[in-house]
Amino acid sequence: QKEVEQNSGPLSVPEGAIASLNCTYSDRGSQSFFWYRQYSGKSPELIMFIYSNGDKEDGRFTAQLNKASQYVSLLIRDSQPSDSATYLCAAYSGYSTLTFGKGTMLLVSP
Amino acid sequence: DAGITQSPRHKVTETGTPVTLRCHQTENHRYMYWYRQDPGHGLRLIHYSYGVKDTDKGEVSDGYSVSRSKTEDFLLTLESATSSQTSVYFCAISDRGEQYFGPGTRLTVT
Repeated sequence: QKEVEQNSGPLSVPEGAIASLNCTYSDRGSQSFFWYRQYSGKSPELIMFIYSNGDKEDGRFTAQLNKASQYVSLLIRDSQPSDSATYLCAAYSGYSTLTFGKGTMLLVSP
Repeated sequence: DAGITQSPRHKVTETGTPVTLRCHQTENHRYMYWYRQDPGHGLRLIHYSYGVKDTDKGEVSDGYSVSRSKTEDFLLTLESATSSQTSVYFCAISDRGEQYFGPGTRLTVT
């Protein structure tokens, strides 16, 4: 059973701080990883994806991948109250499917 | 929502009745997916399609069937709805790995 694990949270950070969201995966063969943001009552929205070990930056977001440790993270710099949402991590599972974690709720306080 | 619509957006039905949910895309993406999302379980794959008339089961396919007669449409049918199928259903599309989600259908089975 391929699994993606996330701490359910909530992760609470003050406005302007760095939020660090973490994810581990069980399938060592997974090659690509995706971060989605989901506001309450809305559908998941793709933020970033990463395929290679190391860091990938896009604006205030940085995705980090460590395949040896089977660990993926998402850093959000200068967190804003509008970043308050649930963040879903997903790993490519083969056959064009993704396995999703249950998500981490992030709360950014003004 | 990346040219994806779902209908209906909300539905209340009675146990034992058949229900069909529709997903329509205007992106001409090859892959289409049906997920359900429940508290404590996250997103779980029901069925997916990798082309017209080509479908396969996901993790929670029991009680569901799908059909794809055109590239743009993917139908999910609950043959005889049960209360355990009360959930939010999301359709997603993909062409290269990353998936894009529709707005969702909230289904209540009474």
